[in-house]
Amino acid sequence: DAGVTQSPTHLIKTRGQQVTLRCSPKSGHDTVSWYQQALGQGPQFIFQYYEEEERQRGNFPDRFSGHQFPNYSSELNVNALLLGDSALYLCASSLHPTGQGSYEQYFGPGTRLTVT
Amino acid sequence: AQSVTQLDSQVPVFEEAPVELRCNYSSSVSVYLFWYVQYPNQGLQLLLKYLSGSTLVESINGFEAEFNKSQTSFHLRKPSVHISDTAEYFCAVTPVGGGSYIPTFGRGTSLIVHP
Repeated sequence: DAGVTQSPTHLIKTRGQQVTLRCSPKSGHDTVSWYQQALGQGPQFIFQYYEEEERQRGNFPDRFSGHQFPNYSSELNVNALLLGDSALYLCASSLHPTGQGSYEQYFGPGTRLTVT
Repeated sequence: AQSVTQLDSQVPVFEEAPVELRCNYSSSVSVYLFWYVQYPNQGLQLLLKYLSGSTLVESINGFEAEFNKSQTSFHLRKPSVHISDTAEYFCAVTPVGGGSYIPTFGRGTSLIVHP
């Protein structure tokens, strides 16, 4: 059973550029959440997708956007990259947001983004 | 809103010694509590969780945590650590009900096990 997968594993971009990160959820999961983990910090919630719609959003600017596809996979897009966007970006999948099973999130290995 | 405080940023310990990683939280509503572990260059793995029932929860690799509602704490303990336990540990809380299933994480505690 494949867990959560993310691509690419590492990425280097220049300030002002745009980046797209990809995530495939664990088999059977239909909800995807994205987190930003800066060095030495805990993960910070960016947004969550369910049924191809953004359901919840954390305190991140509109430069951060996403998409969920019919197969439940998801993309995170970041426009106009800043140096401060350098971080590990984690994707987590879970069951649809009802019931206790929704509280358990499975994380992927992350994408390390470096902005120079 | 919820907040999580992990009181120690780094905990060095010798192999086979006991360890406690401290976690306190603040919330105006009931919460579920979690501990995640992150090994170098990897994502987070769920270590254990408290949703309801017994306030003492255990993981398969010897860790345990006790939910103390009066002290709003969820400290993680292991009676004898191994070198392989070296990792970053994150405490997280999620509000019960209310339609939000998003965890709030602490800043993490780096457990460093020395031979």
